[in-house]
Amino acid sequence: DIQMTQFPSSLSASVGDRVTITCRASRGISNDLAWYQQTPGKAPKLLIYGASSLQSGVPSRFSGSGSGTEFPLTISSLQPEDFATYYCLQHNVYPYTFGQGTKLQVK
Amino acid sequence: QVQLQESGPGLVKPSQTLSLTCTVSGASVSRGATSTGVFYWSWIRQRPGQGLEWIGYIYSSGSTLYNPSLKSRVAMSIDTSKNQFSLNLSSVTAADTAVYYCARDYNYVPDVWGQGTLVTVSS
Repeated sequence: DIQMTQFPSSLSASVGDRVTITCRASRGISNDLAWYQQTPGKAPKLLIYGASSLQSGVPSRFSGSGSGTEFPLTISSLQPEDFATYYCLQHNVYPYTFGQGTKLQVK
Repeated sequence: QVQLQESGPGLVKPSQTLSLTCTVSGASVSRGATSTGVFYWSWIRQRPGQGLEWIGYIYSSGSTLYNPSLKSRVAMSIDTSKNQFSLNLSSVTAADTAVYYCARDYNYVPDVWGQGTLVTVSS
C-alpha cells in the first residue's frame, strides 16, 4: 500500500494567516491527490482533486500543488470556518490511502 | 443535488455481521460511465479519534474492489431498483467500531459523502 504522511500533524494559526500543509507519498502517485476538510461530527468535504483542481464551490483561498510524492495545500488567508482537520487521499492506486490528518487550530 | 444517506444498526455484537445500506438521491447508482466521467460507489470508515480507511467500491455492474486488509470479511452489493448499495462486514470485533461513510466516486475521487453512521461493536 502507498503510505501517505502529512505534516505537521497539528498547526496553530490566526485568522488572516497563510498556512501550508504538506502530504508526502511513499512512492510516486502522479497528480492523483485529493484534499478534504473535516469538522467535528461531519463528513469530509472535498476541496481539491488531481492535486490542484479546486472542487466546485470551494473558496479560491484554497490551493493545491505538487506532483509525484510531495503535495502542499495552502490556505492563503485563514477564515474562522477554516479551523478543521485536513486529510489528503491518494487516488492513484488501490487500495486508496489517506494521510493521518492535520488539525488546524486557533492560536 | 446528489445526497447519500447511510442506514443500519448502530450496535452489532462481536462475531456477527455489520450490514449497512446507502440510499442515493439526485443520482442513479445504475449510471456507470458517461461522456464526462465514471461513477463508482464506495465505503469508507473512520475509527473513533482516528483517520480514514478506504473499505472498497462497487460499480453499477456489480463489480467490486475491496481493501485487502478487509477483503476476507467484506461484501458489497447494489440494488438499482431501490437506488441503493450495501456493505456487509462479517466476523466483527471491537476494532470495527467506527463511523461508516458511503460516498460517490466521480472520476475515481470520492466527491459526495453521506453524513456517516456510527456502528459500535459490543456485546
